[in-house]
Amino acid sequence: QSVLTQPPSASGTPGQRVTISCSGGSSNIGSNTVNWYKQVPGTAPRLLIHTNNQRPSGVPDRFSGSKSGTSASLAISGLQSEDEADYYCAAWDDRLNVYVAFGGGTKLTVL
Amino acid sequence: EVQLVESGGGWVQPGGSLRLSCAASGFTFSSYEMNWVRQAPGKGLEWISYSSTSGTTKYYGDSVRGRFTISRDNAKNSLYLQMNSLRAEDTAVYYCARNAPFELFDHWGQGTLVTVSS
Repeated sequence: QSVLTQPPSASGTPGQRVTISCSGGSSNIGSNTVNWYKQVPGTAPRLLIHTNNQRPSGVPDRFSGSKSGTSASLAISGLQSEDEADYYCAAWDDRLNVYVAFGGGTKLTVL
Repeated sequence: EVQLVESGGGWVQPGGSLRLSCAASGFTFSSYEMNWVRQAPGKGLEWISYSSTSGTTKYYGDSVRGRFTISRDNAKNSLYLQMNSLRAEDTAVYYCARNAPFELFDHWGQGTLVTVSS
């Protein structure tokens, strides 16, 4: 049972815009920034978004993040076949002995 | 170029021990907080341990606290995870991951597989 809640799956057709949600609580998303990762099966995760909406260098501007209250979202516009992967949200957590909360992951399928 | 390379994974029987290593290069290792994150087969990511830059502050996830120990040797640019009393549910790919300012897990290693089975 993950601390942050993500839908297990999402899908879209090439060129479409898709969003993936991430819901948490006051101790994590509500009081800390949100990060998003992309993981192609069989490879290591890669940081996609940090500090709610900041893209590291090399990440296309098709990827954007937002946060409101205790929820966050990742949006992918102009969907491409190479976007098919698993996406995870994560946030620091202020509760004792937690430190970092992960979402359970969302498998994105490009139809 | 930032590189993190894990090693030390393998097969171990329940109750056994294993020590993972993460060799860092391409950045000033002693200036960065480090973590271990694992992923069980077919499952999601689970953070399990954190080390401050000096190694004096350490955090552990509930699932490994009391059994796993994180450490680092800044002179050798290396991060370690000593895993004792291993259980079948510890079977996973173990990643080391770096924290940059405001960026949680900004770089990851390729992972090392630990299999706990009789």
